[in-house]
Amino acid sequence: RKEVEQDPGPFNVPEGATVAFNCTYSNSASQSFFWYRQDCRKEPKLLMSVYSSGNEDGRFTAQLNRASQYISLLIRDSKLSDSATYLCVVNGGAGGTSYGKLTFGQGTILTVHP
Amino acid sequence: GAVVSQHPSRVICKSGTSVKIECRSLDFQATTMFWYRQFPKQSLMLMATSNEGSKATYEQGVEKDKFLINHASLTLSTLTVTSAHPEDSSFYICSPREMQDTQYFGPGTRLTVL
Repeated sequence: RKEVEQDPGPFNVPEGATVAFNCTYSNSASQSFFWYRQDCRKEPKLLMSVYSSGNEDGRFTAQLNRASQYISLLIRDSKLSDSATYLCVVNGGAGGTSYGKLTFGQGTILTVHP
Repeated sequence: GAVVSQHPSRVICKSGTSVKIECRSLDFQATTMFWYRQFPKQSLMLMATSNEGSKATYEQGVEKDKFLINHASLTLSTLTVTSAHPEDSSFYICSPREMQDTQYFGPGTRLTVL
């Protein structure tokens, strides 16, 4: 079983749509969680951290369910510029990316079309 | 955000040659350096972790004699792919971290071995 699993998609949605990505992780001792965005042939960039209480950043909402070892990302009012691969990332250490090692899911491809 | 440079951004070489990739943290001191590689349509996979002045720790399945890592200074780390073969063609990304601070990513090096 992969340490971090995501539905690879691809998801093709029209502008303005709401789209949700899911992710599960196998290590129950994992401490911190993130969503990264990766554009084609580029390095990954941090989109947002994920907290147990759930957190929102503009059109993006992230949720964490530790009991189910499940992470989600919701994107509302999709824009063309949201087209990218979204990576679910888990860290065995606490304190954001300051400790431990990051483990990446394979990514979910999103294409937003006009 | 922090500035990380990686050179070269792209390299094409013949099978059997060695390729050196440089990673520089331009405005912070990278006490820890992570090296990742990413094959097409796959996740980033951690290859090795190095702390400045120490030998690198390699992940399972990564040959330390093939992928030589040098982290002699706090602003420069190099990854040398020795005797490269077509199966080593991949996207190599360095990821420096300063003490217990955020982890950043270099822009990546795309290696193609003919």
